[in-house]
Amino acid sequence: DAGITQSPRHKVTETGTPVTLRCHQTENHRYMYWYRQDPGHGLRLIHYSYGVKDTDKGEVSDGYSVSRSKTEDFLLTLESATSSQTSVYFCAIRGGVDTQYFGPGTRLTVL
Amino acid sequence: QQQVKQSPQSLIVQKGGIPIINCAYENTAFDYFPWYQQFPGKGPALLIAIRPDVSEKKEGRFTISFNKSAKQFSLHIMDSQPGDSATYFCAASIAKAAGNKLTFGGGTRVLVKP
Repeated sequence: DAGITQSPRHKVTETGTPVTLRCHQTENHRYMYWYRQDPGHGLRLIHYSYGVKDTDKGEVSDGYSVSRSKTEDFLLTLESATSSQTSVYFCAIRGGVDTQYFGPGTRLTVL
Repeated sequence: QQQVKQSPQSLIVQKGGIPIINCAYENTAFDYFPWYQQFPGKGPALLIAIRPDVSEKKEGRFTISFNKSAKQFSLHIMDSQPGDSATYFCAASIAKAAGNKLTFGGGTRVLVKP
Protein backbone atom coordinates (compact mmCIF):
# COMPACT_ATOMS: atom_id res chain seq x y z
CA ASP A 1 0.00 0.00 0.00
CA ALA A 2 3.09 2.27 -0.26
CA GLY A 3 2.50 3.56 3.25
CA ILE A 4 -0.63 5.51 2.32
CA THR A 5 -3.60 5.88 4.61
CA GLN A 6 -6.82 7.76 3.94
CA SER A 7 -9.36 9.02 6.43
CA PRO A 8 -12.20 8.69 6.85
CA ARG A 9 -12.75 5.51 4.87
CA HIS A 10 -16.49 6.13 4.62
CA LYS A 11 -18.51 9.29 5.03
CA VAL A 12 -22.11 10.27 4.53
CA THR A 13 -22.91 13.96 4.50
CA GLU A 14 -25.60 16.33 3.38
CA THR A 15 -25.65 18.72 0.47
CA GLY A 16 -24.09 22.06 1.30
CA THR A 17 -21.86 20.89 4.13
CA PRO A 18 -18.07 21.16 3.99
CA VAL A 19 -16.08 17.95 3.87
CA THR A 20 -12.34 17.33 4.25
CA LEU A 21 -10.63 14.12 3.30
CA ARG A 22 -7.13 13.34 4.49
CA CYS A 23 -4.31 11.46 2.83
CA HIS A 24 -1.28 10.54 4.90
CA GLN A 25 1.97 9.01 3.64
CA THR A 26 4.93 7.76 5.60
CA GLU A 27 7.64 7.60 2.93
CA ASN A 28 8.38 11.27 2.26
CA HIS A 29 7.24 11.27 -1.38
CA ARG A 30 7.24 14.66 -3.07
CA TYR A 31 4.26 14.12 -5.38
CA MET A 32 0.76 13.37 -4.12
CA TYR A 33 -2.51 13.15 -6.05
CA TRP A 34 -6.25 13.10 -5.49
CA TYR A 35 -8.48 11.18 -7.89
CA ARG A 36 -12.16 10.38 -7.97
CA GLN A 37 -13.52 7.12 -9.32
CA ASP A 38 -16.93 6.85 -10.94
CA PRO A 39 -18.38 3.97 -12.98
CA GLY A 40 -17.40 4.20 -16.63
CA HIS A 41 -14.96 7.04 -16.05
CA GLY A 42 -12.03 5.22 -14.54
CA LEU A 43 -10.10 7.53 -12.26
CA ARG A 44 -9.98 11.25 -12.91
CA LEU A 45 -7.42 13.59 -11.44
CA ILE A 46 -8.78 16.32 -9.16
CA HIS A 47 -5.63 18.04 -7.87
CA TYR A 48 -2.05 17.16 -7.26
CA SER A 49 0.85 18.46 -5.20
CA TYR A 50 4.52 18.61 -6.03
CA GLY A 51 5.71 19.79 -2.65
CA VAL A 52 4.68 21.57 0.53
CA LYS A 53 2.33 24.40 -0.40
CA ASP A 54 2.76 23.57 -4.12
CA THR A 55 -0.41 22.33 -5.79
CA ASP A 56 -2.02 22.34 -9.22
CA LYS A 57 -5.35 21.47 -10.78
CA GLY A 58 -6.35 18.29 -12.52
CA GLU A 59 -9.12 17.69 -15.04
CA VAL A 60 -12.05 17.77 -12.57
CA SER A 61 -11.00 20.40 -10.02
CA ASP A 62 -14.19 22.50 -9.90
CA GLY A 63 -15.73 22.39 -6.43
CA TYR A 64 -12.59 21.06 -4.77
CA SER A 65 -9.64 22.64 -3.03
CA VAL A 66 -6.50 21.11 -1.58
CA SER A 67 -3.81 21.95 0.90
CA ARG A 68 -0.45 20.54 1.80
CA SER A 69 1.21 22.08 4.83
CA LYS A 70 3.40 19.04 5.57
CA THR A 71 5.08 16.57 3.26
CA GLU A 72 3.15 13.67 4.71
CA ASP A 73 -0.39 15.11 4.53
CA PHE A 74 -2.49 16.12 1.54
CA LEU A 75 -6.01 17.35 2.28
CA LEU A 76 -8.93 17.47 -0.14
CA THR A 77 -11.79 19.83 0.75
CA LEU A 78 -15.25 20.07 -0.69
CA GLU A 79 -16.31 23.53 0.40
CA SER A 80 -20.02 22.86 -0.12
CA ALA A 81 -20.71 19.25 -1.02
CA THR A 82 -23.12 18.43 -3.85
CA SER A 83 -24.71 15.12 -4.85
CA SER A 84 -22.51 15.06 -7.97
CA GLN A 85 -19.51 14.71 -5.67
CA THR A 86 -20.73 11.35 -4.41
CA SER A 87 -17.83 9.13 -5.41
CA VAL A 88 -14.89 7.08 -4.24
CA TYR A 89 -11.83 9.22 -3.68
CA PHE A 90 -8.32 7.88 -3.99
CA CYS A 91 -5.07 9.42 -2.95
CA ALA A 92 -1.86 8.41 -4.71
CA ILE A 93 1.84 9.05 -4.38
CA ARG A 94 4.47 9.05 -7.05
CA GLY A 95 7.08 6.42 -6.38
CA GLY A 96 9.99 5.88 -8.73
CA VAL A 97 10.19 7.75 -12.04
CA ASP A 98 6.64 7.47 -13.35
CA THR A 99 4.72 5.08 -11.15
CA GLN A 100 1.82 6.04 -8.94
CA TYR A 101 0.68 3.99 -5.95
CA PHE A 102 -2.79 4.34 -4.57
CA GLY A 103 -4.30 4.41 -1.11
CA PRO A 104 -7.33 2.38 0.01
CA GLY A 105 -9.90 5.02 -0.88
CA THR A 106 -12.68 7.00 0.81
CA ARG A 107 -16.28 6.37 -0.13
CA LEU A 108 -18.21 9.63 0.10
CA THR A 109 -21.97 9.86 -0.16
CA VAL A 110 -23.63 13.27 -0.40
CA LEU A 111 -27.35 13.14 0.31
CA GLN B 1 -12.93 14.32 -23.35
CA GLN B 2 -11.55 10.85 -22.80
CA GLN B 3 -8.05 10.55 -24.17
CA VAL B 4 -7.74 6.84 -23.34
CA LYS B 5 -10.55 4.58 -24.50
CA GLN B 6 -10.80 1.12 -22.98
CA SER B 7 -12.80 -1.87 -24.17
CA PRO B 8 -14.69 -3.99 -23.40
CA GLN B 9 -16.45 -2.73 -20.28
CA SER B 10 -16.83 -6.27 -18.99
CA LEU B 11 -15.55 -9.71 -19.84
CA ILE B 12 -16.38 -13.23 -18.71
CA VAL B 13 -14.02 -16.15 -19.37
CA GLN B 14 -13.60 -19.68 -18.17
CA LYS B 15 -10.63 -20.63 -16.02
CA GLY B 16 -7.61 -21.09 -18.26
CA GLY B 17 -8.95 -18.70 -20.89
CA ILE B 18 -7.16 -15.54 -22.05
CA PRO B 19 -9.06 -12.33 -21.41
CA ILE B 20 -7.86 -9.50 -23.63
CA ILE B 21 -8.43 -5.86 -22.78
CA ASN B 22 -7.77 -3.15 -25.34
CA CYS B 23 -6.92 0.51 -24.96
CA ALA B 24 -6.53 3.25 -27.54
CA TYR B 25 -5.03 6.65 -26.95
CA GLU B 26 -5.06 9.94 -28.85
CA ASN B 27 -2.13 11.92 -27.49
CA THR B 28 1.07 10.84 -29.27
CA ALA B 29 3.11 12.49 -26.51
CA PHE B 30 2.13 9.73 -24.06
CA ASP B 31 5.20 7.63 -23.27
CA TYR B 32 4.31 5.57 -20.22
CA PHE B 33 1.46 3.05 -20.19
CA PRO B 34 0.65 1.27 -16.91
CA TRP B 35 -2.08 -1.22 -16.14
CA TYR B 36 -3.76 -1.33 -12.74
CA GLN B 37 -5.73 -4.12 -11.11
CA GLN B 38 -8.44 -3.30 -8.60
CA PHE B 39 -10.34 -5.64 -6.29
CA PRO B 40 -13.65 -4.55 -4.72
CA GLY B 41 -13.14 -2.17 -1.82
CA LYS B 42 -9.44 -1.72 -2.55
CA GLY B 43 -7.32 0.87 -4.27
CA PRO B 44 -5.89 0.22 -7.76
CA ALA B 45 -2.60 -1.66 -7.69
CA LEU B 46 0.05 -1.37 -10.37
CA LEU B 47 0.17 -4.58 -12.38
CA ILE B 48 2.56 -4.00 -15.27
CA ALA B 49 3.73 -1.05 -17.37
CA ILE B 50 5.31 -0.49 -20.76
CA ARG B 51 7.09 2.28 -22.63
CA PRO B 52 6.73 2.78 -26.40
CA ASP B 53 10.25 1.61 -27.22
CA VAL B 54 9.15 -2.04 -26.84
CA SER B 55 6.26 -3.90 -28.46
CA GLU B 56 5.65 -6.46 -25.74
CA LYS B 57 6.30 -6.96 -22.06
CA LYS B 58 5.58 -10.00 -19.92
CA GLU B 59 5.37 -10.32 -16.16
CA GLY B 60 4.22 -13.71 -15.01
CA ARG B 61 0.86 -14.46 -16.65
CA PHE B 62 0.31 -10.83 -17.67
CA THR B 63 1.43 -9.52 -21.05
CA ILE B 64 1.18 -6.05 -22.55
CA SER B 65 1.23 -5.70 -26.33
CA PHE B 66 1.95 -2.23 -27.69
CA ASN B 67 1.31 -0.90 -31.21
CA LYS B 68 2.72 2.61 -31.47
CA SER B 69 1.58 3.25 -35.05
CA ALA B 70 -2.00 2.30 -34.22
CA LYS B 71 -1.86 4.09 -30.85
CA GLN B 72 -3.18 0.99 -29.14
CA PHE B 73 -2.08 -1.30 -26.34
CA SER B 74 -3.62 -4.34 -24.78
CA LEU B 75 -3.42 -6.57 -21.72
CA HIS B 76 -3.55 -10.36 -22.01
CA ILE B 77 -4.02 -12.56 -18.96
CA MET B 78 -2.64 -16.00 -19.74
CA ASP B 79 -4.08 -19.10 -18.07
CA SER B 80 -6.58 -16.93 -16.18
CA GLN B 81 -7.62 -17.96 -12.69
CA PRO B 82 -10.68 -17.09 -10.59
CA GLY B 83 -8.37 -14.96 -8.41
CA ASP B 84 -7.78 -12.73 -11.45
CA SER B 85 -11.40 -11.60 -11.27
CA ALA B 86 -11.09 -7.84 -10.80
CA THR B 87 -11.44 -4.54 -12.58
CA TYR B 88 -8.52 -3.58 -14.80
CA PHE B 89 -7.60 -0.05 -15.83
CA CYS B 90 -5.20 1.09 -18.49
CA ALA B 91 -3.60 4.49 -18.18
CA ALA B 92 -1.15 6.76 -19.94
CA SER B 93 1.10 9.65 -19.02
CA ILE B 94 3.85 11.87 -20.32
CA ALA B 95 6.89 11.06 -18.25
CA LYS B 96 8.52 14.48 -18.33
CA ALA B 97 5.37 16.57 -18.18
CA ALA B 98 4.62 18.64 -15.09
CA GLY B 99 3.04 16.45 -12.46
CA ASN B 100 3.38 13.25 -14.49
CA LYS B 101 -0.42 13.02 -14.53
CA LEU B 102 -2.07 9.73 -15.39
CA THR B 103 -5.03 9.59 -17.78
CA PHE B 104 -7.13 6.48 -17.19
CA GLY B 105 -9.38 4.38 -19.37
CA GLY B 106 -12.88 3.61 -18.15
CA GLY B 107 -12.05 0.17 -16.76
CA THR B 108 -12.88 -3.45 -17.62
CA ARG B 109 -14.53 -5.78 -15.16
CA VAL B 110 -13.15 -9.30 -15.67
CA LEU B 111 -14.85 -12.39 -14.27
CA VAL B 112 -13.03 -15.70 -14.47
CA LYS B 113 -15.37 -18.63 -13.90
CA PRO B 114 -14.02 -21.79 -12.25
